[in-house]
Amino acid sequence: GAVVSQHPSRVICKSGTSVKIECRSLDFQATTMFWYRQFPKQSLMLMATSNEGSKATYEQGVEKDKFLINHASLTLSTLTVTSAHPEDSSFYICSALFGGQQYFGPGTRLTVT
Amino acid sequence: QKEVEQDPGPLSVPEGAIVSLNCTYSNSAFQYFMWYRQYSRKGPELLMYTYSSGNKEDGRFTAQVDKSSKYISLFIRDSQPSDSATYLCAMSPTSGTYKYIFGTGTRLKVLA
Repeated sequence: GAVVSQHPSRVICKSGTSVKIECRSLDFQATTMFWYRQFPKQSLMLMATSNEGSKATYEQGVEKDKFLINHASLTLSTLTVTSAHPEDSSFYICSALFGGQQYFGPGTRLTVT
Repeated sequence: QKEVEQDPGPLSVPEGAIVSLNCTYSNSAFQYFMWYRQYSRKGPELLMYTYSSGNKEDGRFTAQVDKSSKYISLFIRDSQPSDSATYLCAMSPTSGTYKYIFGTGTRLKVLA
């Protein structure tokens, strides 16, 4: 139980384009999901908290107009990286809150060329 | 100073060894402590969670929390090559926000 999926697992895009990453809770409903970014050999850094039916809460230093989050249903949250640049290349991981614990997706590796 | 400090390793041990992984923290408000295992290019998987001080055991894994020293540990007994992964500690205060602060992770290699 408590399985979270992400799609795509890997994406390569050109600088200036936008990329959408999906995070789904497969066997439970999640009113709250989280988006993290992880650079090589660094810790997971929380980007934003996504709540179903309301606006996401962004951490300090994260540009909300660049990282658009939509939590349209109890099983799906999406992260759109707009006008991506090479410095946005990273491993993006989502988690969903269930039973007081966060369950993580497998991550999406974004490479911006 | 980071809120959570964790030695990045790598830590190499022979199969069957007892492994000790540690994190220190500075925020006395942290009440919930988690250990995650992350295989290469995969998402973190919850191993253990504890509330406040004390020990918790689950199979080959034991989590310890010493709030007076702001120090937490994860012990792995009879380590196996399949335990080779990065181990992340995470902490959260009791505010109910579920915001976790993660350590940088310790990379563990168990040699067959």
